[in-house]
Amino acid sequence: DADVTQTPRNRITKTGKRIMLECSQTKGHDRMYWYRQDPGLGLQLIYYSFDVKDINKGEISDGYSVSRQAQAKFSLSLESAIPNQTALYFCATSDSNPSRYNEQFFGPGTRLTVL
Amino acid sequence: TQLLEQSPQFLSIQEGENLTVYCNSSSVFSSLQWYRQEPGEGPVLLVTVVTGGEVKKLKRLTFQFGDARKDSSLHITAAQPGDTGLYLCAGVPGTYKYIFGTGTRLKVLA
Repeated sequence: DADVTQTPRNRITKTGKRIMLECSQTKGHDRMYWYRQDPGLGLQLIYYSFDVKDINKGEISDGYSVSRQAQAKFSLSLESAIPNQTALYFCATSDSNPSRYNEQFFGPGTRLTVL
Repeated sequence: TQLLEQSPQFLSIQEGENLTVYCNSSSVFSSLQWYRQEPGEGPVLLVTVVTGGEVKKLKRLTFQFGDARKDSSLHITAAQPGDTGLYLCAGVPGTYKYIFGTGTRLKVLA
C-alpha cells in the first residue's frame, strides 16, 4: 500500500464551489505539506504543518485553508474555487528527525479542474 | 523571494547521449535535492547534497553542489528511455522549507 495517499485523484468542479482534498499517510511523519504544481512553475508551497496543533502559511496560501485532523491526516480546502486554481495538487510528508528531515515523500497528486 | 531557475526547461535527446541539467539561485542553501517525477505520480527523491563542492553518483547520474551552495548540476551519462521524466531541484534554505526549481522535462528517444 502507498505510504502517502490522496483523494480524490481527479476532480472537476465549477467556479464558486467548495472543494476539499484529503491526504493520509502511514509513514508516521510529523510534518505534512500541501503544494501546487503548474506547468513551468515547479512546486509552490501552499501550507505546511509540523504537528496536529501547528498550521503555517506557505508562499501561495490565499484562497486556500487547511485542517490537520490527526498526525496522519492533512486536508486542503478551496472555499470558493476559481478557474486559476486549476492545477495539480500534491501532499508531502517529512520526518522531524534532524538526520532525516530533509527528505520529502509525495502522494500521487490530485488533478483539479475548475470550470 | 527565493527562486531556483532550472535549465534547460525541455530536453529531447537520443538514447546513449549525455546531458547536463542546471539549477541556479542567488540564494545560499543548507542542502539541495534532486527529484524525478513521472506522469501521474508525485516527485521521488534521487539525492540530497549538503556540502559545497560535493559530488554524488547514482549509477549513471552525477550530482554536484556548487562551492558556494547556490547552484547544482545533474549529469546523465548514456541516457536511456527509462530516464524520461520531469527533473526538479529543491533548495533547503533552513530546516523545514523547500524551494523547488521550475523543472526540466527530459525525453530520451530509443
